[in-house]
Amino acid sequence: GNSVTQMEGPVTLSEEAFLTINCTYTATGYPSLFWYVQYPGEGLQLLLKATKADDKGSNKGFEATYRKETTSFHLEKGSVQVSDSAVYFCALSGSGGGADGLTFGKGTHLIIQP
Amino acid sequence: GAGVSQSPRYKVAKRGQDVALRCDPISGHVSLFWYQQALGQGPEFLTYFQNEAQLDKSGLPSDRFFAERPEGSVSTLKIQRTQQEDSAVYLCASSLAGQGYQETQYFGPGTRLLVL
Repeated sequence: GNSVTQMEGPVTLSEEAFLTINCTYTATGYPSLFWYVQYPGEGLQLLLKATKADDKGSNKGFEATYRKETTSFHLEKGSVQVSDSAVYFCALSGSGGGADGLTFGKGTHLIIQP
Repeated sequence: GAGVSQSPRYKVAKRGQDVALRCDPISGHVSLFWYQQALGQGPEFLTYFQNEAQLDKSGLPSDRFFAERPEGSVSTLKIQRTQQEDSAVYLCASSLAGQGYQETQYFGPGTRLLVL
């Protein structure tokens, strides 16, 4: 079945540092890949997505590229801010016909210190 | 416009009690999903509706869990004879067109269930 593995947290960085959160997946076919973010006290929000190989999703300075050859979708940001502190979830949706439920990783808690 | 709403936001139940959790999806959204999120874990898929039809219930952990969406809008997740292991946050999500795996799902704030 489908699965997502992402780096365990917490990840603690200083403001303006470079961020990478690793995500790899196992899936049959050609899934879509997502990063969701959960800010303190708020619900899950879509951060970015990519629906086919070599696509790059980007939003709010974050980027992730769908790498089918390495089955990865690593999240990157060049200069993090305190306001980026949150829990980040990598997720995939299967390639079967019709809408599929998302398969999530366990989440990575990111802490940015001023 | 209004997002996905869920009620109640918090529910404390005694073991053995039945509970009902409500989800109001974004107006006009065809697809509706329920997820269970244990503490410190990612959400896990429970069930999926397209309009009023429940197309996938493979994630429901036991026959004590039941979901419905009778008119294709509001959905209710019911848990009978609650157990302590049911304690979790229950998330509802909706998506626009039911066009499949590329669609963005929009999540509600969740209902935090604590079973004592």
